[in-house]
Amino acid sequence: GDSVTQMEGPVTLSEEACLTINCTYTATGYPSLFWYVQYPGEGLQLLLKATKADDKGSNKGFEATYRKETTSFHLEKGSVQVSDSAVYFCALDNNDMRFGAGTRLTVKP
Amino acid sequence: DTGVSQDPRHKITKRGQNVTFRCDPISEHNRLYWYRQTLGQGPEFLTYFQNEAQLEKSRLLSDRFSAERPKGSFSTLEIQRTEQGDSAMYLCASSKGQGLKGTQYFGPGTRLLVL
Repeated sequence: GDSVTQMEGPVTLSEEACLTINCTYTATGYPSLFWYVQYPGEGLQLLLKATKADDKGSNKGFEATYRKETTSFHLEKGSVQVSDSAVYFCALDNNDMRFGAGTRLTVKP
Repeated sequence: DTGVSQDPRHKITKRGQNVTFRCDPISEHNRLYWYRQTLGQGPEFLTYFQNEAQLEKSRLLSDRFSAERPKGSFSTLEIQRTEQGDSAMYLCASSKGQGLKGTQYFGPGTRLLVL
């Protein structure tokens, strides 16, 4: 069945460092791909999405590109802030939503 | 814009008791989803409604679990005879759009602890 594998955490970075969280997927057909973020004590919030190959989703300085050839959707940010500390989930929707296990990011001042 | 709301936010119960959670979706969204999230894991799909019709149920949804959406608006998730393994965060999401690929928006969740 469809599945999502994302980089295990936790990830700890200093403020202004570069971030990459890897995400790869297995699916038939052409799923939509998402990154959700979960801040402490809150529900999941949609961060960005891409619905077809080579689409780039972007929001709040985060980016991810739908790479069908490598079945990947890596999350990147050039300069992280303390306020980016959260758990990040990669997900796919192929008539059925599947989530990765989440990657906890901690950004230190 | 009112987001997805869930009630209660926290529930502590004793093993064997019944619990019921409520979800109010975004008003124009016709699709409503329930997920379960355990510590250190991503959400796992439980069930899904389109309007008042329950269209899909996961194998995770044992016969102790029942979900309803009687008027196609809010939904309830009931767990009967709770077990310690039911302890988790229960998330609700809603969406609209064509086909099955509308973006899902999540509520804050109900955290259940079964003692």
